[in-house]
Amino acid sequence: DAKTTQPTSMDCAEGRAANLPCNHSTISGNEYVYWYRQIHSQGPQYIIHGLKNNETNEMASLIITEDRKSSTLILPHATLRDTAVYYCIVSSGGSNYKLTFGKGTLLTVNP
Amino acid sequence: DTAVSQTPKYLVTQMGNDKSIKCEQNLGHDTMYWYKQDSKKFLKIMFSYNNKELIINETVPNRFSPKSPDKAHLNLHINSLELGDSAVYFCASSPGSQPQHFGDGTRLSIL
Repeated sequence: DAKTTQPTSMDCAEGRAANLPCNHSTISGNEYVYWYRQIHSQGPQYIIHGLKNNETNEMASLIITEDRKSSTLILPHATLRDTAVYYCIVSSGGSNYKLTFGKGTLLTVNP
Repeated sequence: DTAVSQTPKYLVTQMGNDKSIKCEQNLGHDTMYWYKQDSKKFLKIMFSYNNKELIINETVPNRFSPKSPDKAHLNLHINSLELGDSAVYFCASSPGSQPQHFGDGTRLSIL
């Protein structure tokens, strides 16, 4: 699976949009981009995933560049409860499907 | 109502003991996983099972033995516990190579 690079930490004001970047320059054509988050002391929580097209769900939006070498997770209106470590993961799925977690980005939402 | 449930939530035991952690999912998923999160917060996959068959074994010491009695359960038995086994162990499940749902973890402390 391709490696990802994320900033160690970011801050965001409550109510503003949080934009979390991820670089995955070695991504292969059949690999998806997944985003998970881990709120302190809890298990990782799935947020969103995509292959080529931008995706949106009730939690967030995922913007993938045309060359697929980077992506941005957008939390449109961050709340204090969105403070967590956010992981960007690239995985091809299939019978050997697994998630390889990096260090992630600690997003702190400030009041 | 918990989708992926692990027991116990906390486990404190002596070095050299044998212990088991249980995991059950009520989502009807056919694939289950065990992950380990160490003191540095790195989250790494240990095993995955698909329809009760071992699919992934990530170079885990053979003191760790997963057992899947049915598709809804994946238990983890650890023999001769060592200090380095202290960590948080997360169980997860997924419908094939779709996004994984995680439990809240079992915090294992070795004295």
